[in-house]
Amino acid sequence: DSGVTQTPKHLITATGQRVTLRCSPRSGDLSVYWYQQSLDQGLQFLIQYYNGEERAKGNILERFSAQQFPDLHSELNLSSLELGDSALYFCASSVYRDTNYGYTFGSGTRLTVV
Amino acid sequence: GQSLEQPSEVTAVEGAIVQINCTYQTSGFYGLSWYQQHDGGAPTFLSYNALDGLEETGRFSSFLSRSDSYGYLLLQELQMKDSASYFCAVRAFMNTGFQKLVFGTGTRLLVSP
Repeated sequence: DSGVTQTPKHLITATGQRVTLRCSPRSGDLSVYWYQQSLDQGLQFLIQYYNGEERAKGNILERFSAQQFPDLHSELNLSSLELGDSALYFCASSVYRDTNYGYTFGSGTRLTVV
Repeated sequence: GQSLEQPSEVTAVEGAIVQINCTYQTSGFYGLSWYQQHDGGAPTFLSYNALDGLEETGRFSSFLSRSDSYGYLLLQELQMKDSASYFCAVRAFMNTGFQKLVFGTGTRLLVSP
């Protein structure tokens, strides 16, 4: 157990639907990062929050949004889902605001859009 | 932008030594890190190099040459459980001044008996 909790572990939904993925960071970590991993694209950075505020944004689609709450858990909302959104979605956390090492990843949410 | 290149697959036998290379291009360099990911599992942090040279952590070592924009992960005394994907990653600054961690496409290591 890495200390980063992601729910649900698996999600199957239909095209056009909306889902919410949840992440609880490791205790004491203020930064939360969301990554998408598709079979042919590796780990793609989506968005980072630090202590409740958005810090960095990657190639996140407009149909996707996220937020970090006062208790530091984060949610990633995916709407108008398409088949191509099927992927593993990872959340990671770190205690530092800016760092390129020491990320702790959760076990991921496997999203299947049918 | 940023780009990282790694071999897609490497094979080796138990007990052997294997080296996984990573070349990168990035505007502004703040260190190279390595992550391991077993099939269906979460990436786990292995090592980090900010300066040139070799960093050793048990059976794993990581090397960096900033002048060559090159690094490698060295795995010694390979075990079957080392079969996994290995990712190099660099920190990249965006034009907003904020940062993101950019991962390579990963190298799948297959260890055979």
